[in-house]
Amino acid sequence: GAVVSQHPSWVICKSGTSVKIECRSLDFQATTMFWYRQFPKQSLMLMATSNEGSKATYEQGVEKDKFLINHASLTLSTLTVTSAHPEDSSFYICSARGFGGAGELFFGEGSRLTVL
Amino acid sequence: GEDVEQSLFLSVREGDSSVINCTYTDSSSTYLYWYKQEPGAGLQLLTYIFSNMDMKQDQRLTVLLNKKDKHLSLRIADTQTGDSAIYFCAGPTGANNLFFGTGTRLTVIP
Repeated sequence: GAVVSQHPSWVICKSGTSVKIECRSLDFQATTMFWYRQFPKQSLMLMATSNEGSKATYEQGVEKDKFLINHASLTLSTLTVTSAHPEDSSFYICSARGFGGAGELFFGEGSRLTVL
Repeated sequence: GEDVEQSLFLSVREGDSSVINCTYTDSSSTYLYWYKQEPGAGLQLLTYIFSNMDMKQDQRLTVLLNKKDKHLSLRIADTQTGDSAIYFCAGPTGANNLFFGTGTRLTVIP
């Protein structure tokens, strides 16, 4: 199956700094990737849809300037949490759509961000 | 929009069968999916079923789909401790994405 990898898996940063999370499709090209946020014991909350070569589409309530998304190539999307604060601490997950006929999404391993 | 509901918790003894249930609202879903999430990890696609099927079996996993009642279930035979995880059912949205249920936390008791 398709493999999606995220990096870093864990990151701890000081309040006010910016953190970049990478999402790579390792064995396929992904024109569209999705970024989610997951709070403890909750389901995934879609933050934005990342489109290769164009601007990301953000869900309602998600701050575009806070969560910068760049999808510069068919295998890489990045999420940058700018001027991070403790309330941004969360588990961030990306996914990409495979090229099989079932429209399934393949997920990265997730990145846990802790802002001190 | 799509609404997908699941029971939050399920506990079973090792070796028993587990049945995780899901109800959905969007009858136009072409595929429905089951994902597994282990602690601190991303989601792993377990299986999916096309909407014109009633059942799909894949080794220890059996998916049943009742389109009339909009009910989807995942049965895990001979449940093992390694099956302890959160299980999400999901259906497609109009935005080329998936809408996820609340997740069912399966605990397998040795």
